[in-house]
Amino acid sequence: DAKTTQPPSMDCAEGRAANLPCNHSTISGNEYVYWYRQIHSQGPQYIIHGLKNNETNEMASLIITEDRKSSTLILPHATLRDTAVYYCIAMYSGGGADGLTFGKGTHLIIQP
Amino acid sequence: GAVVSQHPSRVICKSGTSVKIECRSLDFQATTMFWYRQFPKQSLMLMATSNEGSKATYEQGVEKDKFLINHASLTLSTLTVTSAHPEDSSFYICSARALQGGKDEKLFFGSGTQLSVL
Repeated sequence: DAKTTQPPSMDCAEGRAANLPCNHSTISGNEYVYWYRQIHSQGPQYIIHGLKNNETNEMASLIITEDRKSSTLILPHATLRDTAVYYCIAMYSGGGADGLTFGKGTHLIIQP
Repeated sequence: GAVVSQHPSRVICKSGTSVKIECRSLDFQATTMFWYRQFPKQSLMLMATSNEGSKATYEQGVEKDKFLINHASLTLSTLTVTSAHPEDSSFYICSARALQGGKDEKLFFGSGTQLSVL
């Protein structure tokens, strides 16, 4: 799996959009970009994933650059409950037998 | 979304005893499940891959005789920490792969088990 690079921490004001960047310059053509988050003492929670096109669901939006070397996770209206460690992971999708390889992620702190 | 149930959520045991952790996929079949370990303020580390009906595959440095994995059905995998010692105290998390139409899959995670060995 391609290595990803994220800032170790970020702050965001409650109610504002939180934009979390991720670099994955060595990503291969068949690797998806996945985002998970982990709230303290809980298992990781799936947020969103994409291959080339931008994606949106009820939790977030994922913007992937045209060259696919970086992406941004957007939480449109951050709340205090969004405080968590966010992990960006590049992984082949399609029935492979590999588990996710977690980096250190970004600790997002939502400020009241 | 798919649900992965993990039990117990917390266990405290004496040194030398064995502890079993269960991981169930509630609304989908999982031929492959994964076990992770997480120490405080660190990221998740993959311990082993559990395959239904076959032996588990362990990551380098993980003792297979100490961390016994059984994946007897398509919805259940268990991790047994044998002869637990204080250094085995950690947060253990399982995950299962859910295929959607054969591709575009997601991994779903259990809520984790905090093991404390006295």
